[in-house]
Amino acid sequence: GESVGLHLPTLSVQEGDNSIINCAYSNSASDYFIWYKQESGKGPQFIIDIRSNMDKRQGQRVTVLLNKTVKHLSLQIAATQPGDSAVYFCADNAGGTSYGKLTFGQGTILTVHP
Amino acid sequence: SQTIHQWPATLVQPVGSPLSLECTVEGTSNPNLYWYRQAAGRGLQLLFYSVGIGQISSEVPQNLSASRPQDRQFILSSKKLLLSDSGFYLCAWTLPSLAGGWGRETQYFGPGTRLLVL
Repeated sequence: GESVGLHLPTLSVQEGDNSIINCAYSNSASDYFIWYKQESGKGPQFIIDIRSNMDKRQGQRVTVLLNKTVKHLSLQIAATQPGDSAVYFCADNAGGTSYGKLTFGQGTILTVHP
Repeated sequence: SQTIHQWPATLVQPVGSPLSLECTVEGTSNPNLYWYRQAAGRGLQLLFYSVGIGQISSEVPQNLSASRPQDRQFILSSKKLLLSDSGFYLCAWTLPSLAGGWGRETQYFGPGTRLLVL
C-alpha cells in the first residue's frame, strides 16, 4: 500500500558487501514491478523492472527477485559502493489499474560505510 | 530522448501566499502526468494525475489543485498555502495508457521542487 506517514526502515552495509532490500506488495493482480533509487534532494531514478511472468531479472550489479506466492519482491545489489547510498522504493501497478498508476512501497534507506 | 523539467528547484513562501509549480516534459506526446508530495523521510504520496489536456484526477482532498493547459505541461497550484504544504514535490510522466506494452507503467520522475512554507 502507500507509504504516507511511515518512517522508513534502514539497512547499513560495508562497502563491497552484497545488499538485499525487501518489499512486500498486497495486490495479487499486480503484474509489473519496479525498483527506484532516490538520492538525497533528487527525484527517484528507475533501476530495474520485472513482469510477473518472470521470477528473476538481472541488470548491472542489481538483481530483482519476484515471489508471487508470498507477494514479495527483493532487490539485490552486488559489491555495494558508497554511491549506492540512497532510499530505495519498490512499486507495482496495483493490478493493472488504468492511467499507469503505481503503488509505492514505504522505501528503505541504504547506507554504505567505506 | 525524453526529459522532464521542474521549476523552481527551491521555494520559500509565507503562509497564505499563492503557489504555482510547473512541470514540463520533452520528447514525447500525450504522456500521463503525475504530481507527488514527499514529506521529509517519508514515502511518495500521489496528489494528482492527468491523462490529457484539461483532464485532472485528484487522489486526496487537500489545499492544492492541478491543471494541464498544454499536452506536456502540468501545473500544481494553491490559492493560500498552509504550513502543512511544505515538502518535496515531484512530477512524473509515463507513456500513454494503451493495452499491453512492456514498461508502459514505468514512471520517470523530474528533479523535484522543495517547498518550505513559513
